Amino acid sequence: GAGVSQTPSNKVTEKGKYVELRCDPISGHTALYWYRQSLGQGPEFLIYFQGTGAADDSGLPNDRFFAVRPEGSVSTLKIQRTERGDSAVYLCASSPGVAGSTGELFFGEGSRLTVL
Amino acid sequence: KNQVEQSPQSLIILEGKNCTLQCNYTVSPFSNLRWYKQDTGRGPVSLTIMTFSENTKSNGRYTATLDADTKQSSLHITASQLSDSASYICVVHAGNNRKLIWGLGTSLAVNP
Repeated sequence: GAGVSQTPSNKVTEKGKYVELRCDPISGHTALYWYRQSLGQGPEFLIYFQGTGAADDSGLPNDRFFAVRPEGSVSTLKIQRTERGDSAVYLCASSPGVAGSTGELFFGEGSRLTVL
Repeated sequence: KNQVEQSPQSLIILEGKNCTLQCNYTVSPFSNLRWYKQDTGRGPVSLTIMTFSENTKSNGRYTATLDADTKQSSLHITASQLSDSASYICVVHAGNNRKLIWGLGTSLAVNP
């Protein structure tokens, strides 16, 4: 597609529920990132994919968070047993080539998650 | 510890005026420095990416400077427009890993 697409744009759920957030990167971009952004804060790194594999998942806060990218394109961020502290905007970004270069990151509009 | 600090935290200027935003970093080894613009409720959009050897880079009315010796960068906005109202975030890429170190941003409001 023309840009990075994230769905849903807004998700309201109850504490303890399971949530999936989807990211469709720019076609051909091999690198994909997930970030979490709370109000008034900069994006917080969660996980980075190069192709199908998670090259760096050190930002995932705990084992309730998991992300996949089975075919090296679309990625899904999965959050189990959601907590109120998980409420944030989840941003996805893609980049051509390998990270460590000056490749630009192209961000989606984010998925706003609210856990009641 | 790798850190990126931005100042001021927030800024209000009148339409048509110029402004300069500051970024200091303690990231090592340095790979590149990026400025992003983030409108409220939107994802960040890249303005400039500067490597070690680049001192200045322009993108329309936005001009970024980089002093790798003092580890400082600035973003200068010329002839501001109402649409410039946004958060401007400085991001430094550490060369030894794939992580980007994000500043907290400067919130700019341009008033008519």
